[in-house]
Amino acid sequence: EVQLVESGGGLVQPGGSLRLSCGVSGFTLSEHYVDWVRQAPGKGLEWVGRSRNRAKGYSTDFAASVKDRFTFSRDDSKSSLYLEMNSLKTEDTAVYYCARAYRLNGAHFFDFWGQGTLVTVSS
Amino acid sequence: QSVLTQPPSISAAPGQKVTISCSGSSSNIGYDSVSWYQQFPGTAPKLLIYDNDKRPSGIPDRFSGSKSGTSATLDITGLQTGDEADYYCEVWDSSLSGVLFGGGTKLTVL
Repeated sequence: EVQLVESGGGLVQPGGSLRLSCGVSGFTLSEHYVDWVRQAPGKGLEWVGRSRNRAKGYSTDFAASVKDRFTFSRDDSKSSLYLEMNSLKTEDTAVYYCARAYRLNGAHFFDFWGQGTLVTVSS
Repeated sequence: QSVLTQPPSISAAPGQKVTISCSGSSSNIGYDSVSWYQQFPGTAPKLLIYDNDKRPSGIPDRFSGSKSGTSATLDITGLQTGDEADYYCEVWDSSLSGVLFGGGTKLTVL
């Protein structure tokens, strides 16, 4: 059974850092793309970034709103992807989801999602 | 304001049909396939439609999707009170090199 589980959320001050974890099971992390999507309180879904698979050199893309502040790291032996968030702003407050971006015949879609972890940036 | 435009809300009676639109441009909907997600309050989104018009296993055929040019639509027939949720379209944008979500549509079943 495919599962993704996020952890690491919490309260952090503006300008601070936080590392979120996405632990996966039921599939091989190195063979798939995994994205992060966030949702601010009462707002819609916002894409944060993508970590591609080994075949694509683990390349990454980030939304303009987080580029140069957020990065990915990973430990395939632990089936875990990490979202490293620096220089956090109050507008980064959101529930953060990791989701598998499955690719089929050129199409991609988020077929499995984690339950989300809440990040609150406040003084 | 999202690059992908959806109506903020839509409502209909049980048993009726609704159509949720998602309008984009040549660099997103006109470029790549569209997916749709359903989200209930406090829960993670759930995949409803992928590759414009395909349903994952377990999704009722009351849900259908289509795409034409730079717009996509999600149709829901035989509305049920349990369909009350937020619905989002999603697509890759080649100009932004990133994923876009529509602003979301809140469906109310009266």
